Amino acid sequence: GAVVSQHPSRVICKSGTSVKIECRSLDFQATTMFWYRQFPKQSLMLMATSNEGSKATYEQGVEKDKFLINHASLTLSTLTVTSAHPEDSSFYICSALDGEKLGEQYFGPGTRLTVT
Amino acid sequence: DQQVKQNSPSLSVQEGRISILNCDYTNSMFDYFLWYKKYPAEGPTFLISISSIKDKNEDGRFTVFLNKSAKHLSLHIVPSQPGDSAVYFCAAITQGGSEKLVFGKGTKLTVNP
Repeated sequence: GAVVSQHPSRVICKSGTSVKIECRSLDFQATTMFWYRQFPKQSLMLMATSNEGSKATYEQGVEKDKFLINHASLTLSTLTVTSAHPEDSSFYICSALDGEKLGEQYFGPGTRLTVT
Repeated sequence: DQQVKQNSPSLSVQEGRISILNCDYTNSMFDYFLWYKKYPAEGPTFLISISSIKDKNEDGRFTVFLNKSAKHLSLHIVPSQPGDSAVYFCAAITQGGSEKLVFGKGTKLTVNP
């Protein structure tokens, strides 16, 4: 099956710094990628939709200036958490849409972010 | 407003028995439904899906049933195995739309040996 990677798998950073998370589709081209955040004991929350070559579409309540998304190529999308705070600590997961397979999104393994 | 609901946060079954995970939705525009399995600290993995034109889809030990009139779907796992222990997410999508998955909150399944 299709593979999506994320890097890094876990990162610890200090409050006020920025962290970049990469999401790559390894064997298919993904014109659309999604970024999710998972809180403990809660569902996956969609943060934004990333479309190659255009600006990301953010869900209501998600600060676009804080969570910068760049989808520069058909296989790479990045999420940058700027000026991170402890409340940003979470598990961030990306998914990539294979346009040839309706409805199925391939998820990355996730990135655990801890802000101290 | 939660459009996809999984009202049971957890379920515990004995190995070899049937596991039934339920999901309800409110948006009648949803026409494609998926189940994902998730282990802690990992991304979800696709399990099985069903289109609204069907009422049943089977793949090995996994069967998904869809009742459109009740806006209800369920995932049956038979027989349940300890390795099935995970959180199961129900998700819905509107075909031809933005392709955004709408997830339920998940049900944690524990299969006891």
